[in-house]
Amino acid sequence: QMRLLQSGPGLVKPSETLSLTCTLSGGSLSNNHWTWIRQTPEKGLEWLGYIYYTGTTDYNPSLNGRVTISLHTSRNQFSLQVASMAPADTAVYYCALGSGRLRVWGQGTLVTVSS
Amino acid sequence: EIELRQSPGTLSLSPGDRATLSCRASQSVGTSLAWYQHKPGQPPMLLISEASSRTTDIPDRFSGSGSGTDFTLTISRLEPEDFAVYYCQQYVNSFRTPRTFGQGTTVEIK
Repeated sequence: QMRLLQSGPGLVKPSETLSLTCTLSGGSLSNNHWTWIRQTPEKGLEWLGYIYYTGTTDYNPSLNGRVTISLHTSRNQFSLQVASMAPADTAVYYCALGSGRLRVWGQGTLVTVSS
Repeated sequence: EIELRQSPGTLSLSPGDRATLSCRASQSVGTSLAWYQHKPGQPPMLLISEASSRTTDIPDRFSGSGSGTDFTLTISRLEPEDFAVYYCQQYVNSFRTPRTFGQGTTVEIK
């Protein structure tokens, strides 16, 4: 059974880059899409983007190019970077398996943007 | 961007009641629609995909229907563990067309 375990900081300063990692157990990154989502009280659930195991990515245009999703196949991990973090980026961030229907989710990471 | 509007915002029901949740899309999504259950402190859980296909291990009291722009999630008889927030999500497969979620329906105990 596939499981996703998230890691990364809970606090980021304004203008810094957020980096979160999702580690897969019980399976392989191959032949799947891997997605990042976030949730805020204001905007609800927001799809940030995905990466396919080949490295192809698709991002939400509303993030204006600030999002990068990468694969680290040797470690069975994929990661999220969000540049130029602002208080409005304070959210619970989730990683998930899939590009459409999201079948397995990480536990979520609350990221607060504050100086 | 495809907008999803869920109604009602809150459903106040009792265990054993039938719950009917609606999701309306701003343009056709075919059957590329999923439903999730979300409880506090947990990640969302996929219930239904392709508008009506129940995920493995999801009880058959959950059912989904619809296509195009109008979708429904029905919980035939509410169990105590079903009181939660429910989200719909569209996943039309088009590059640079973001997947989007509805704002959620809270099913609360009356």
